[in-house]
Amino acid sequence: GAGVSQTPSNKVTEKGKYVELRCDPISGHTALYWYRQSLGQGPEFLIYFQGTGAADDSGLPNDRFFAVRPEGSVSTLKIQRTERGDSAVYLCASSLTPGLQSGELFFGEGSRLTVL
Amino acid sequence: SQKIEQNSEALNIQEGKTATLTCNYTNYSPAYLQWYRQDPGRGPVFLLLIRENEKEKRKERLKVTFDTTLKQSLFHITASQPADSATYLCASYNNNDMRFGAGTRLTVKP
Repeated sequence: GAGVSQTPSNKVTEKGKYVELRCDPISGHTALYWYRQSLGQGPEFLIYFQGTGAADDSGLPNDRFFAVRPEGSVSTLKIQRTERGDSAVYLCASSLTPGLQSGELFFGEGSRLTVL
Repeated sequence: SQKIEQNSEALNIQEGKTATLTCNYTNYSPAYLQWYRQDPGRGPVFLLLIRENEKEKRKERLKVTFDTTLKQSLFHITASQPADSATYLCASYNNNDMRFGAGTRLTVKP
């Protein structure tokens, strides 16, 4: 597709379950970002990939959160032992030229996670 | 710690007026600032980028300024329309990642 695709768009799970959220970036975009957004707040940085490697994972809140991008394209955000506080919209964004050149981010529509 | 802040949670203005939104940053010097628009239930959409060596940037009814002395960016929408109602986010690049402010929710009343 032409834009960033995120699946699922909505996910309802029970506390303690494992969740995977998928992001398919724009073809050719080497930079990929995951953000978490709570109601009324701005996007909160989680992790940034440049190619296959995580260039900055300083925003991951704890070791229950993990993300991969094995082939430098699709990325999966994994949350173990989910807690009610994990409920939020998880946004993925990609960029063609990260860093000092441009850095314009193209966002997906987000995956809304609800932990009951 | 490094912060990027948008002081106003909400701004209500009358159609036709100019909306001015503020973004402040502390404890770092971003190479550029970006502004995004976000509609309810949607992802943010890029609007404008301004570099640290640029004072002002315009795009149609939008204008952004960057004051490195005040550590502030102002975002203006002239001749505002109800369709401009949305949340506007500022963002800055620092090291390896883009950080966002909390956003200002703009409502333009007819």
